[in-house]
Amino acid sequence: SYVLTQPPSVSVAPGKTARITCGGNNIGSKSVHWYQQKPGQAPVLVIYYDSDRPSGIPERFSGSNSGNTATLTISRVEAGDEADYYCQVWDSVSDHPLFGGGTKLTVL
Amino acid sequence: QVQLVQSGAEVKKPGASVKVSCKASGYAFNGYYMHWVRQAPGQGLEWMGWINPNSDDTKYAQRFQGRVTMTRDTSISTVYMELSRLRSDDTAVYYCARDLNQLADYWGQGTLVTVSS
Repeated sequence: SYVLTQPPSVSVAPGKTARITCGGNNIGSKSVHWYQQKPGQAPVLVIYYDSDRPSGIPERFSGSNSGNTATLTISRVEAGDEADYYCQVWDSVSDHPLFGGGTKLTVL
Repeated sequence: QVQLVQSGAEVKKPGASVKVSCKASGYAFNGYYMHWVRQAPGQGLEWMGWINPNSDDTKYAQRFQGRVTMTRDTSISTVYMELSRLRSDDTAVYYCARDLNQLADYWGQGTLVTVSS
């Protein structure tokens, strides 16, 4: 079955750029979505279809997807960006969503 | 605005069943599939299944087959997830999430289910 691999943790200083990766076999051929989850809250969609932003999501959040890696990039990181981030694709064989294991973003 | 409001926290004994509700508002209920996703303490997101409110079709993750049932009541725009034969490792927060073209665009607030003797 298809597997999405995320690093367990990423650390970044305020004002710098954070990059969170999501690896999968030929993931570039799939649409990747990203969710942010802060402690005690439900996930929130921050990037969809690789690089689109829902309304209300800051332009600091961007995404890319090519080859075997999709990347969520957060520019000018703020303390409020500290959260868990999950990537998601659709498993077309099993007809259901598939989530990565999640990455905890720590703002130093 | 789209809202998904879930029922409150539950405490159950091992072997019992739990039924969680998710009331939708602000959109055409029949027009969107609904997913159920759970999250054990300190763990990631795990998809459990989806229901098509229009047709009542369902699809369940293999690991929950035979233990989970998803239903809907279109008259009150509500979907339900019932999990039976509960075990301690079913302790988790359960979320409903609206499907929009194979992504989850709106999520409920979550329902904590605690399984403990």
